[in-house]
Amino acid sequence: AQSVTQPDIHITVSEGASLELRCNYSYGATPYLFWYVQSPGQGLQLLLKYFSGDTLVQGIKGFEAEFKRSQSSFNLRKPSVHWSDAAEYFCAVGSTGFQKLVFGTGTRLLVSP
Amino acid sequence: DAGVIQSPRHEVTEMGQEVTLRCKPISGHDYLFWYRQTMMRGLELLIYFNNNVPIDDSGMPEDRFSAKMPNASFSTLKIQPSEPRDSAVYFCASSLTDTFSNTGELFFGEGSRLTVL
Repeated sequence: AQSVTQPDIHITVSEGASLELRCNYSYGATPYLFWYVQSPGQGLQLLLKYFSGDTLVQGIKGFEAEFKRSQSSFNLRKPSVHWSDAAEYFCAVGSTGFQKLVFGTGTRLLVSP
Repeated sequence: DAGVIQSPRHEVTEMGQEVTLRCKPISGHDYLFWYRQTMMRGLELLIYFNNNVPIDDSGMPEDRFSAKMPNASFSTLKIQPSEPRDSAVYFCASSLTDTFSNTGELFFGEGSRLTVL
């Protein structure tokens, strides 16, 4: 069965600094990979997704993620963090047909002034 | 579109009471999912439907939980009887299977926060 590990529970980044959130997955076949963001009291919103092709994918709000098969990773990056990026971020992996997603435990991003 | 609509947003009930959570998916979406979110267990998939038919309910914790989708625009998740350990945020999400673009994006509602005393 597929699984997702997000090793960082909390991360604090200064506003304007770069950000990298880690995600490792376990899946036997080619995975479908997603990053979602959850603001307080809200549902999850899709940031970006990887299905195939170019391993560097661009998403909304200036985020990008890189799929590295050799490392079973799909890390999320942003070159310059804004205070509004403070939220919880979830990595997810899809099974065949991508209808069923397994989510990681999330990383809470705090942005300091 | 109004997005996925869930009700109620907050529910406080006493142990043993029946709880019904409601969801209206985005019009035209053919998949509907119920997730539960807790601090201890994160996001767990409870059940999902395709074209109103339950496909996988292996995540439903026990027989106290049931879900229905009587039509394409409405689904319920029922807990009877409720217990304090059922306290969580329950999310409904919908998606559209597009065989050409294969987006597979889940659209989430804002959740129903359940507290069982």
